[in-house]
Amino acid sequence: NAGVTQTPKFRVLKTGQSMTLLCAQDMNHEYMYWYRQDPGMGLRLIHYSVGEGTTAKGEVPDGYNVSRLKKQNFLLGLESAAPSQTSVYFCASRGGPITEAFFGQGTRLTVV
Amino acid sequence: AQKITQTQPGMFVQEKEAVTLDCTYDTSDQSYGLFWYKQPSSGEMIFLIYQGSYDEQNATEGRYSLNFQKARKSANLVISASQLGDSAMYFCAMREGPSGGSYIPTFGRGTSLIVHP
Repeated sequence: NAGVTQTPKFRVLKTGQSMTLLCAQDMNHEYMYWYRQDPGMGLRLIHYSVGEGTTAKGEVPDGYNVSRLKKQNFLLGLESAAPSQTSVYFCASRGGPITEAFFGQGTRLTVV
Repeated sequence: AQKITQTQPGMFVQEKEAVTLDCTYDTSDQSYGLFWYKQPSSGEMIFLIYQGSYDEQNATEGRYSLNFQKARKSANLVISASQLGDSAMYFCAMREGPSGGSYIPTFGRGTSLIVHP
């Protein structure tokens, strides 16, 4: 009963380094999302996917790329990390367009 | 303009009392849904309750109920008989229909609830 699993849980990057955050869900959900959470800002959508092989930009997509090569996985990439990308990143998935979203445990990323 | 507004950054309540967390929303869609999530200090996002725009009855889940006032575009969360474990951040979220937001959940900025013993 894993649900949505994010790896890694914590990471410290130096400015300019790259990394990939992995989100895996075992619920056969079509819809997947990447959000970032910053103090006082709530959750803001970075990118999302409505099915395998599809991706789309959200509210704050700059500096991030995503891929959904397999239905169960949604990857978030930072090509050249910046201190402004220090945040907590959440992945979420939904089975349908009107159902609730299930969240991963979050990834705390610090860029120094 | 924010689609979801939570005007209470912080709320305090005495244990065993009821508390209402405010949420107002903005949409022109006829079909939409409101969600509430709880985020304890451990960080995970826990789904609490859902209300669809066409639901005639207010949603209830145990001690949680959603006070849905469509004309006022408000979807307040009511927690009855507060417990110490209710201390957390609470987020209101909305998914609009295909014309307004492509069903993407949009979140408010959250309300921090502290329950005093």
